Amino acid sequence: EAQVTQNPRYLITVTGKKLTVTCSQNMNHEYMSWYRQDPGLGLRQIYYSMNVEVTDKGDVPEGYKVSRKEKRNFPLILESPSPNQTSLYFCASRARGTDNEKLFFGSGTQLSVL
Amino acid sequence: AQKVTQAQTEISVVEKEDVTLDCVYETRDTTYYLFWYKQPPSGELVFLIRRNSFDEQNEISGRYSWNFQKSTSSFNFTITASQVVDSAVYFCALRDRFWEINNNDMRFGAGTRLTVKP
Repeated sequence: EAQVTQNPRYLITVTGKKLTVTCSQNMNHEYMSWYRQDPGLGLRQIYYSMNVEVTDKGDVPEGYKVSRKEKRNFPLILESPSPNQTSLYFCASRARGTDNEKLFFGSGTQLSVL
Repeated sequence: AQKVTQAQTEISVVEKEDVTLDCVYETRDTTYYLFWYKQPPSGELVFLIRRNSFDEQNEISGRYSWNFQKSTSSFNFTITASQVVDSAVYFCALRDRFWEINNNDMRFGAGTRLTVKP
């Protein structure tokens, strides 16, 4: 089954404790990205990657890191989480062929930073 | 610049009523793509429809229909004879050919929370 898998589904942590949210897709998609969802703001892009070893900032990259060492994986790293990073996070992927490709989303990770 | 406005924050209807969710977009590009996603209470994002800017035909899929009007930069979504299972947050989104310059693959609206009461 074609899917984007992200883990964990829920995460509670404390300020400053490094964490990683994993994301993997099995569709051989070149493009992957991370979004955060906040009430009243919709989804905002954090980082994206056009292919292996190629990453770029989105609208809200501050406080986040990503890496793309393999085509299927695109982890999101919060090296020193802060309470304002409490949010619902989504990983997404799509084929890069044309700009009308839809995004496939993971199930989301609800992060709470205390 | 890209912008997507969903002015209706929350809508509440009674089952079997028809309901329209509004979406207004801004882009400088002449070629762009519009999307609707549904987020049910379980939280996942479900793709509903994709529309290219050069195809202004309206689309109907069962109880769902979409009205795309370039003249008013709108891509509205109508649910006919709503059901409780339609309760969700609905997002409208835009992608144009300048997305790499704008560092944003898909620009989302703030979403509209639809509640359908039995």
